[in-house]
Amino acid sequence: DAMVIQNPRYQVTQFGKPVTLSCSQTLNHNVMYWYQQKSSQAPKLLFHYYDKDFNNEADTPDNFQSRRPNTSFCFLDIRSPGLGDAAMYLCATSRDGTGEREKLFFGSGTQLSVL
Amino acid sequence: AQKITQTQPGMFVQEKEAVTLDCTYDTSDQSYGLFWYKQPSSGEMIFLIYQGSYDEQNATEGRYSLNFQKARKSANLVISASQLGDSAMYFCAMREGYSGAGSYQLTFGKGTKLSVIP
Repeated sequence: DAMVIQNPRYQVTQFGKPVTLSCSQTLNHNVMYWYQQKSSQAPKLLFHYYDKDFNNEADTPDNFQSRRPNTSFCFLDIRSPGLGDAAMYLCATSRDGTGEREKLFFGSGTQLSVL
Repeated sequence: AQKITQTQPGMFVQEKEAVTLDCTYDTSDQSYGLFWYKQPSSGEMIFLIYQGSYDEQNATEGRYSLNFQKARKSANLVISASQLGDSAMYFCAMREGYSGAGSYQLTFGKGTKLSVIP
């Protein structure tokens, strides 16, 4: 019954080797988000899609890209992972994006390790 | 300045007792929403409870209640009758009203790790 699904649960990559994390949703929500959560820190928004419109946070490094080929799927691409990119990556969705009442639904996250 | 402050990195509570997790926030918006999420060791962020800035009543959801004090800008989470399964990280978060580019941002605090002792 999982509504926001992230694969894989654990991902190991090498320094500088491109890696892609995936997220899918069965909620038919308009908005999909990617958050980065480093150990013992708050989740930090990297970017989000409203339908096909991509919105990057100002301080998200260029190393991070995203694709949303359709409503259900969203990918996070890290072009050249560094040691500092090791973190939990959380995908989330919301029905709409605006308004203070919008609740986010999260996946279980992908824990990325960089060797 | 931090928008969400959770001053308790870790808390312990005896099983079946109540516990309060603190959260203060900072915003100049009149319209905003406050959320609490639970993150067990499995990693998924689970929505617990929501309080809107214009809501006159404190929010309640089962064993969870939110002690909302608007003038003090605090939104503390109260868990009654703690259970072992409540052991997790708890995050307070805020979403400010529609204001253009920032309207999609759900800003999280650093979290409080709650441990329930049998």
